[in-house]
Amino acid sequence: GESVGLHLPTLSVQEGDNSIINCAYSNSASDYFIWYKQESGKGPQFIIDIRSNMDKRQGQRVTVLLNKTVKHLSLQIAATQPGDSAVYFCAENGDWSGTASKLTFGTGTRLQVTL
Amino acid sequence: KAGVTQTPRYLIKTRGQQVTLSCSPISGHRSVSWYQQTPGQGLQFLFEYFSETQRNKGNFPGRFSGRQFSNSRSEMNVSTLELGDSALYLCASSGLSYGYTFGSGTRLTVV
Repeated sequence: GESVGLHLPTLSVQEGDNSIINCAYSNSASDYFIWYKQESGKGPQFIIDIRSNMDKRQGQRVTVLLNKTVKHLSLQIAATQPGDSAVYFCAENGDWSGTASKLTFGTGTRLQVTL
Repeated sequence: KAGVTQTPRYLIKTRGQQVTLSCSPISGHRSVSWYQQTPGQGLQFLFEYFSETQRNKGNFPGRFSGRQFSNSRSEMNVSTLELGDSALYLCASSGLSYGYTFGSGTRLTVV
């Protein structure tokens, strides 16, 4: 069935370094992917998204890469800051038909930023 | 503009009781989805409503139900609560463009 998985449950990086969080998905029909950041006690916060007709999309300090051949998604955070410490989820919309929508989430990666 | 508002933030209920959670989407958003988040199962889709109609449903028992009102506000109800229903319940709203905005959730504890 559909699944979205993450390779690493915890990632520890030094402040100022770049972070890379990976995600694998299994539904080849998925056409929309989102990265969310969730801080303790809060709901998921949108970071960046990408459609399946793109390979790369950049935001402020973040870049999402999509490799449809191997069904892999990654989130790159440049110059990681302490405020980036959180759990990061990738999500896939495998049911976006304009009439119904459903997100399938990965298990999450905890990013720890050390000083 | 105001974000997605979920009430209440915290709830403690006893097994066997029922509970109703509320979600007010972003103004103009007509789609409201509900998700359950637990440490063991992660984020799981419950159901989605659009213009007062349920368009999609996840794999949850019939004890979980929801509805949407004409102003797009949504409620979800869980009847005959079980200990395993303890979770963070998240609501997300979506408009014409791609993307989902989540609320802060309702933390339900069943004792």
